[in-house]
Amino acid sequence: AQKITQTQPGMFVQEKEAVTLDCTYDTSDQSYGLFWYKQPSSGEMIFLIYQGSYDEQNATEGRYSLNFQKARKSANLVISASQLGDSAMYFCAMREYGGATNKLIFGTGTLLAVQP
Amino acid sequence: NAGVTQTPKFRILKIGQSMTLQCTQDMNHNYMYWYRQDPGMGLKLIYYSVGAGITDKGEVPNGYNVSRSTTEDFPLRLELAAPSQTSVYFCASRISDRGRTEAFFGQGTRLTVV
Repeated sequence: AQKITQTQPGMFVQEKEAVTLDCTYDTSDQSYGLFWYKQPSSGEMIFLIYQGSYDEQNATEGRYSLNFQKARKSANLVISASQLGDSAMYFCAMREYGGATNKLIFGTGTLLAVQP
Repeated sequence: NAGVTQTPKFRILKIGQSMTLQCTQDMNHNYMYWYRQDPGMGLKLIYYSVGAGITDKGEVPNGYNVSRSTTEDFPLRLELAAPSQTSVYFCASRISDRGRTEAFFGQGTRLTVV
């Protein structure tokens, strides 16, 4: 069954340092996509980065990178040079491409607090 | 470009009342989703739709109903509101291609049932 696990309920990081947010997933599909979203205190959902299961290179989008380890079924988000504005909830999500479910499933999230 | 629009933004219901949460998108997206987010928690999928006339249950469908008569609209119906349905509700949509097709979210509807 499709499942996303985020084991870190909350994390602190010092401004300008890098931080890794963990995400593991479970799927029986060979073809799937992994997404990270940011939810600031204002509540909106902001798409950050995407990794396809067949992508050979780890995805990068500016200060965000995704450490994709397919054999371990992990898709950790790395934020480099943290900024105060990075303080938010971060959600990992997955969509399977095989079959016809097309569900987009989310993890429980990690609350990141960036300290000056 | 409006994107995904949800109405209302806030609502208080009494136990047993019913209401419809509206969601409309102007991006011609086939796929639409309804999620609920309880305080401090992740998003749980309630229902989703892959196109007009086609809907399916997600992880937590009990107590809700949906319809999809047009590509643009995907309303969520609560028939007999219960305190357990107090939550923030998000509607999302995406195009039907595979790959890097992220979902676009509405601003959310904060619902309180008392």
